[in-house]
Amino acid sequence: GENVEQHPSTLSVQEGDSAVIKCTYSDSASNYFPWYKQELGKRPQLIIDIRSNVGEKKDQRIAVTLNKTAKHFSLHITETQPEDSAVYFCAAMGEKLTFGTGTRLTIIP
Amino acid sequence: DGGITQSPKYLFRKEGQNVTLSCEQNLNHDAMYWYRQDPGQGLRLIYYSQIVNDFQKGDIAEGYSVSREKKESFPLTVTSAQKNPTAFYLCASMLNLWGSSGAEAFFGQGTRLTVV
Repeated sequence: GENVEQHPSTLSVQEGDSAVIKCTYSDSASNYFPWYKQELGKRPQLIIDIRSNVGEKKDQRIAVTLNKTAKHFSLHITETQPEDSAVYFCAAMGEKLTFGTGTRLTIIP
Repeated sequence: DGGITQSPKYLFRKEGQNVTLSCEQNLNHDAMYWYRQDPGQGLRLIYYSQIVNDFQKGDIAEGYSVSREKKESFPLTVTSAQKNPTAFYLCASMLNLWGSSGAEAFFGQGTRLTVV
């Protein structure tokens, strides 16, 4: 089955700097790669996603890149703000939706 | 108001008892999922269902059971065989895009189960 690894598990970034979270997956049949943000005490919510026929996607300060050959994808957050502090999960979907172990991002004011 | 609803929010269970967590959605989604969330371990898949009357085991199905008799409902039973059931349980639903890649998963607010 699919295995998704996510790094780092914790990340502290100065406000205004960039943050990068990386994930790898094992199943070459996976073709959809979403990223979810979970704030404390709340449910995970989709922030951006990418499909296997695309290499990069941007939405304002957030971008995701995908390298299908290497089976890895990354989340990039630029100009970080305090409200970006949360736990971020990557996921990969082939037959089922499999999540990584999460990254706790802390933005230091 | 469309969405996905889990109940109860908090649940206490005595050792040796079975307990059922409810998940209902009115989004007309075909696929429904149950995840378990423990600190530092992300979201681990328990069971999922792509269509009514059909479901598959996820990565940690032992000690759990599900049913999918209606499109809107996907209840999870935590049985006494689950050795460490204390956790936060999340239900999600997704529109199945047959013949295409995935779609956004919508999550419920979760049920926190504690064994006492």
